[in-house]
Amino acid sequence: EPEVTQTPSHQVTQMGQEVILRCVPISNHLYFYWYRQILGQKVEFLVSFYNNEISEKSEIFDDQFSVERPDGSNFTLKIRSTKLEDSAMYFCASSGEDGAGQYFGPGTRLTVT
Amino acid sequence: SQQGEEDPQALSIQEGENATMNCSYKTSINNLQWYRQNSGRGLVHLILIRSNEREKHSGRLRVTLDTSKKSSSLLITASRAADTASYFCATESSSNTGKLIFGQGTTLQVKP
Repeated sequence: EPEVTQTPSHQVTQMGQEVILRCVPISNHLYFYWYRQILGQKVEFLVSFYNNEISEKSEIFDDQFSVERPDGSNFTLKIRSTKLEDSAMYFCASSGEDGAGQYFGPGTRLTVT
Repeated sequence: SQQGEEDPQALSIQEGENATMNCSYKTSINNLQWYRQNSGRGLVHLILIRSNEREKHSGRLRVTLDTSKKSSSLLITASRAADTASYFCATESSSNTGKLIFGQGTTLQVKP
C-alpha cells in the first residue's frame, strides 16, 4: 500500500539555524499539507499546497516558514531561523482527488536547542 | 469549546469490550475523519465520513455523524490490546482548502 514518507525521522538543531524537512507524498496525490504536534498537544494545521501554490496557511506559518515542491516527488518545509518553540513533531500529509481523506507520514521530530 | 473536541479524554476497558468515543465540532464541514496515533508515532487514517452520510463501517469500526448536532462517534467493537492508542477526530471545513482541525483526542487503553 502506498504511503507518505518523511526524512529525517529526528532532527536536532540549534536555535537560529535553518532546517528543511522532507516529505514524499503518495505518488498520485495532488494536495499536500504540513501539520505539527507539540508534545502533549493536539495536531495543528500549518499549510496546504495545491498546484504549486499555498491554498491556506495558519497563523503559525509566518515568514520564517516556507514550502516547496522542488520536483515531481518531494515536498519540503523550511524553517529559516528556528526558535525553541518550533520543537515539535512535524507531519506531512497528502490527499488525492478521490476525496478518500488525508494520509499522514510518520513525522519528523524536530528538537531545537 | 473548540472545533473537534473528543469525549471522553481517557477510556480504559477490558479486551473484548466495545469502546465508544465522541467528537463535537462547531462549523460546517465537508467531512470528518478519524485517526489513530500510537504513542510518539504517526497518524493512521481510520475512516472518513462525508457530511451527507450518517453512518459508515470499516471492519470493527463504526462511525456515525449527526450534522444537526455537529457530533460524531467512533465505535470499536470487540476491542483488542493492540487497539490501545490515542484516537482523534479531524474535521475538514467546507472552505475546500483541505485544512483539517484536530481535537485533543481520546486515549484508549485496552487491558488484556
